[in-house]
Amino acid sequence: DVKVTQSSRYLVKRTGEKVFLECVQDMDHENMFWYRQDPGLGLRLIYFSYDVKMKEKGDIPEGYSVSREKKERFSLILESASTNQTSMYLCASSLWLGQGASTEAFFGQGTRLTVV
Amino acid sequence: AQSVTQLGSHVSVSEGALVLLRCNYSSSVPPYLFWYVQYPNQGLQLLLKYTSAATLVKGINGFEAEFKKSETSFHLTKPSAHMSDAAEYFCALDSSASKIIFGSGTRLSIRP
Repeated sequence: DVKVTQSSRYLVKRTGEKVFLECVQDMDHENMFWYRQDPGLGLRLIYFSYDVKMKEKGDIPEGYSVSREKKERFSLILESASTNQTSMYLCASSLWLGQGASTEAFFGQGTRLTVV
Repeated sequence: AQSVTQLGSHVSVSEGALVLLRCNYSSSVPPYLFWYVQYPNQGLQLLLKYTSAATLVKGINGFEAEFKKSETSFHLTKPSAHMSDAAEYFCALDSSASKIIFGSGTRLSIRP
């Protein structure tokens, strides 16, 4: 079974803090993703990575950065947390099958972040 | 631009009734399409996926979806709803760049 593990289920942070959300996958997947989920908005892509040290902006990258130093680990960083970043954060990974092919993403359990 | 639209943020059906969750997509290339389910306080789990092999796709828990290119639709159905089907359902599209784009979700409620 593919396992995607997010380091925390619940986090409470103060405005202005630097926040790290960690994600580890155990299936040697090339692609990794960070989404945030808000009611009525579905999942919105923040960043994704298709290889070590490679990253691309998603639809809502402002206020976030990412790090992928090892293939199995993809970190999301909130440089200076703000209350509008209170949300559910979901990490996912998928296998790269080559150009034009596709496979499903596997998700972690999510981290519910509250910024006060 | 590629996009996914789910019609109806909330659907309520009686136990034993037909479940129909609607999804329309926009894509400039032949799409790969997915339905995911999310139970409360959980991550997303794959229900089924369309990868062009067959237009009618069967998934887990009795769900199926039909790809209709002419209607740009990928609606999810289940003949008989069960109480355990209550969850949020997401339709998703895999763009050619391996980015997976999600719809806004449909919350399914089951009435006893």
